[in-house]
Amino acid sequence: EVQLVESGGGLVQPGGSLRLSCTASGFTFSDSYMDWVRQAPGKGLEWVGRIRKKDNSYTTEYAASVKGRFTILRDDSKDSLYLQMSSLETEDTAVYYCVTGGPHRGHDVWGQGSLVTVSS
Amino acid sequence: DIQLTQSPSFLPASVGDRVTITCRASQGISSYLAWYQQKPGKAPKLLMYAASTLQIGVPSRFSVSGSGTEFTLTVSSLQPEDFATYYCQQLNSYPLTFGGGTKVEIK
Repeated sequence: EVQLVESGGGLVQPGGSLRLSCTASGFTFSDSYMDWVRQAPGKGLEWVGRIRKKDNSYTTEYAASVKGRFTILRDDSKDSLYLQMSSLETEDTAVYYCVTGGPHRGHDVWGQGSLVTVSS
Repeated sequence: DIQLTQSPSFLPASVGDRVTITCRASQGISSYLAWYQQKPGKAPKLLMYAASTLQIGVPSRFSVSGSGTEFTLTVSSLQPEDFATYYCQQLNSYPLTFGGGTKVEIK
């Protein structure tokens, strides 16, 4: 079964840091671009960023709202994706989804989501 | 950044209705558009991308059309399980962006 499972969400204070993890199974993770998408409570979807595969030098792209604060990493030996978040703001409160990606492709596999709450 | 405007934001409808959702891009995106369906408390589900590549398992009552800057998602005969929020997303250039969503609700 193709699956993505996120972990690491929780409550963090403004200005703090948090790392989300996502473990993949059922498909060849190393051949996949991987993205993060978030959704603030009661709001729409926002694309956060992408990391390409090894053949594309693991290059990354980010939304302007998180660039310089968030870093996307991957460990193909562990079929795992990470989102390192720092300088968190209350506006970063959202459910974060780990998703598959690709050039001009939609996100066909989604994790269950991990809630990050930034509050004092 | 490419802005996507979905209309309407809310769409009251009944079972059996034909419904159409529009997604307009602020600049041309060729056919690089995806559509998602999201039900409350669940992750979104990809319906189709490249404006016409229907995902496996998506009922044929869903169809899309358009290219460039204007796209539509049509459900030919709305079923109870189709009441949900629908999002478009442009896949043409970074940053990838989503439309604001269209909630199809029971009339």
